Amino acid sequence: DVKVTQSSRYLVKRTGEKVFLECVQDMDHENMFWYRQDPGLGLRLIYFSYDVKMKEKGDIPEGYSVSREKKERFSLILESASTNQTSMYLCASSYGQLHEQYFGPGTRLTVT
Amino acid sequence: KQEVTQIPAALSVPEGENLVLNCSFTDSAIYNLQWFRQDPGKGLTSLLLIQSSQREQTSGRLNASLDKSSGRSTLYIAASQPGDSATYLCAVFLLMTTDSWGKLQFGAGTQVVVTP
Repeated sequence: DVKVTQSSRYLVKRTGEKVFLECVQDMDHENMFWYRQDPGLGLRLIYFSYDVKMKEKGDIPEGYSVSREKKERFSLILESASTNQTSMYLCASSYGQLHEQYFGPGTRLTVT
Repeated sequence: KQEVTQIPAALSVPEGENLVLNCSFTDSAIYNLQWFRQDPGKGLTSLLLIQSSQREQTSGRLNASLDKSSGRSTLYIAASQPGDSATYLCAVFLLMTTDSWGKLQFGAGTQVVVTP
């Protein structure tokens, strides 16, 4: 079974802090994704990566950056956390673009 | 712009009834459609993936159909159980407008409660 893990289930940070969210997949998938999920807005794509050291912006990349130094690991970075980045963050991976996406358990981030 | 709609937003059925969940999309130029389940406060679990060339896909008590020409997909869950209570989301895979990469466009989901 595909396993996607995220470093934290819950995280509380202060405004202005630099925040790192880590995601690891164990199935040698090429593609990895970061989404955020908010009530009334649904899931929105922040960034994705189709290969090591490669990244593409999604629908809402502002205020975020990503890093993919190894195939199995994809990190989401909030350079200077703000209260409007309080959300559920979901990581996903897939073998190829047209293949199933598998999601991690999510990280609920609260920025105070 | 592709829009994905799921109606109803919430549904309550007694145990044993069949569940019928609807998903509609505005642009038929999709590559595939994926159904997910989400339990409260948790991540998404992939249920079924239907390629654009397929009409349906089955897994156990789950059956999903796809009609690209009418922009619709339906997820059927036979003989519902209380453990089926969750939010069900559909998502269509489409190419982004500015490059050759694709993404999933999600519906808002249908919240299902199966009462014992």
